This record gives sequence, C-alpha cells and structure tokens, in this order.
Amino acid sequence: DGGITQSPKYLFRKEGQNVTLSCEQNLNHDAMYWYRQDPGQGLRLIYYSQIVNDFQKGDIAEGYSVSREKKESFPLTVTSAQKNPTAFYLCASSMAGRDTQYFGPGTRLTVL
Amino acid sequence: AQKVTQAQTEISVVEKEDVTLDCVYETRDTTYYLFWYKQPPSGELVFLIRRNSFDEQNEISGRYSWNFQKSTSSFNFTITASQVVDSAVYFCALSEASNTGKLIFGQGTTLQVKP
Repeated sequence: DGGITQSPKYLFRKEGQNVTLSCEQNLNHDAMYWYRQDPGQGLRLIYYSQIVNDFQKGDIAEGYSVSREKKESFPLTVTSAQKNPTAFYLCASSMAGRDTQYFGPGTRLTVL
Repeated sequence: AQKVTQAQTEISVVEKEDVTLDCVYETRDTTYYLFWYKQPPSGELVFLIRRNSFDEQNEISGRYSWNFQKSTSSFNFTITASQVVDSAVYFCALSEASNTGKLIFGQGTTLQVKP
C-alpha cells in the first residue's frame, strides 16, 4: 500500500529533551513537508524539502531541525530550543512543489 | 499577504440536512490553487479537492459540491444530505504562487452531524 507513515502516534518527552519524529513515504514523491497544528487552529508550515539533501524553513522553523538524506524520509527533530513543543505534527508529501499534498496520520507530542 | 478565512468555527446539523462551509481567501497572485481537506477525529488530513484559479466550474462529487467564485474570492463547500460520518474538521487552503507548495490554511470549521 502506498502512503505516508508517521511514528510514533503519541510521544511524551520531558522538558529540555530533543525528540525526533519520523516521516516515511513510498509514493515516490519529491517534495515533503512538516506542519504543526495547535488546538482549534489551522496548520502552520515548519520545514519543507523539494529534493533530497535540500530543505527550507517554513513560517515557524525556530526550535526545529530536519534532514533529507533519502527521498523517502524526512525526519523532524524538536529541540529543547522550541518554547512550546506540545502540538500535533503532520507530515505531507507531493509529487512536486505545487501538486496536491497528501498527509500522514500525525504524531501527537506532549512535553511534560 | 495571502490569507484564508473560514468564519464558521463550528456548525451543528441534524443528519440529512444540507450544510455549506464557507471559505474566503486573499491573494494577489493570478495563478493559485485552492484545496479542501477533511480531518476526522483520527487526525489525518484527507484530501477532498484541488481547484485551479483559472477553472471556475463548480464541481460535484457524490454528496459533495464546491462553488468557486473569483469575483467574491470564495470557495465554498456544500455537503448534501449530511451523515454522521461527515462529522470532522474541514480545512480550506490556498497554495502560494511560488513553487514551494506551501499551503496557507484557514482555521478550520468543525462540523457535527447529529443522528
């Protein structure tokens, strides 16, 4: 089955710890994205990558880092510098920049 | 600046009623794309439709229909004969003019369909 997987579904971390969220796709898509969703709000773009070994900051990149070493994978690290990391994180991918984005199931991160 | 506004925060209807979700957007671009996504309680965003700014034809897909009007910068979504399974948060989104693919989302409308 083609699709986007994110793991884990729920993640709990202590304040001050870095944590990495996984995103994998087998759709052969070039572009991948990370969004953050807070309760009652729309999604905001954290980082995006249009090609392997290249990525750009979105609107709220501070406190986050990414890598794109493989086409299929785009992990997101939430660092201790992120002031308010508790949120729902969604990964998406698309064939190319302006094509339809398809989303993974999301990871709900709670920092205690 | 580009912006998407979904003025209806929450809508509650009884099953079989028709319901329209409003979406108003702002952009200076002449070429853009508009999207609707559904977010059920499980959290995953499900793609519903993508509309090119040059194509103002209304679209119907089963019980779903979309009305795109450039003159009023609106892209409204109607569900006919709503069902309990339609209960979800619905997001309208606008793509940027650049090829980054960045989506600008509205705040979302929570639709509750009661049996």
